[in-house]
Amino acid sequence: QLQLQESGSGLVKPSQTLSLTCAVSGGSISSSGYSWSWIRQPPGKGLEWIGYIYHSGSTYYNPSLKSRVTISIDGSKSQFSLKLSSVTAADTAVYYCARAGSYGLEINFDSWGQGTLVTVCS
Amino acid sequence: SYVLTQPPSVSVAPGQTARITCGGNNIGSKSVHWYQQKPGQAPVLVVYEDSDRPSGIPERFSGSNSGNTATLTISRVEAGDEADYYCQVWDTSSDHRVVFGGGTKLTVL
Repeated sequence: QLQLQESGSGLVKPSQTLSLTCAVSGGSISSSGYSWSWIRQPPGKGLEWIGYIYHSGSTYYNPSLKSRVTISIDGSKSQFSLKLSSVTAADTAVYYCARAGSYGLEINFDSWGQGTLVTVCS
Repeated sequence: SYVLTQPPSVSVAPGQTARITCGGNNIGSKSVHWYQQKPGQAPVLVVYEDSDRPSGIPERFSGSNSGNTATLTISRVEAGDEADYYCQVWDTSSDHRVVFGGGTKLTVL
């Protein structure tokens, strides 16, 4: 049973960089055919895709966040990470990590972490 | 950019059928995936590629997609189905981006 667990700072000051890590267990992060994503959800609002990465290191980002986002992967540690720079209050959200690739040929998210709340506040 | 439009809310009595729509330009040419999210929990994939169900998802959940509208249908609705539902596509025609609909709150009366 695949498990994903987010970790990182829950409180970030405006203009600073948000950093989160997703630890993957119960499956290999290096298996081909899977992608690893970050998705966020502001309080009381809908889901927003941030970006995803393949084990090869190829990345795809939401154009609205692309200039501030970096997603990386570390197969040796079985984890992938998110950095979001120059944060503002609008970046306050529950951040989820998720895996795609188990069902069909399209990107859909079959496994999710529990989510972690990140608050941007001075 | 590609936009998915969902009604904010749908209400249905127990035992009846709920239909949640997801509108998009020629969405019938794309594969649509659906998620259920209960309060305080992560989303759960309930339908993928328009009409297939992941393992463990009841047959009461089904989907269809044609023209400009995709639909998630929940038959014999139960109180436990009350949740937010999101549609999602993978837009390979544009930066391989992932797009979510705004979500629909399903209320079981």
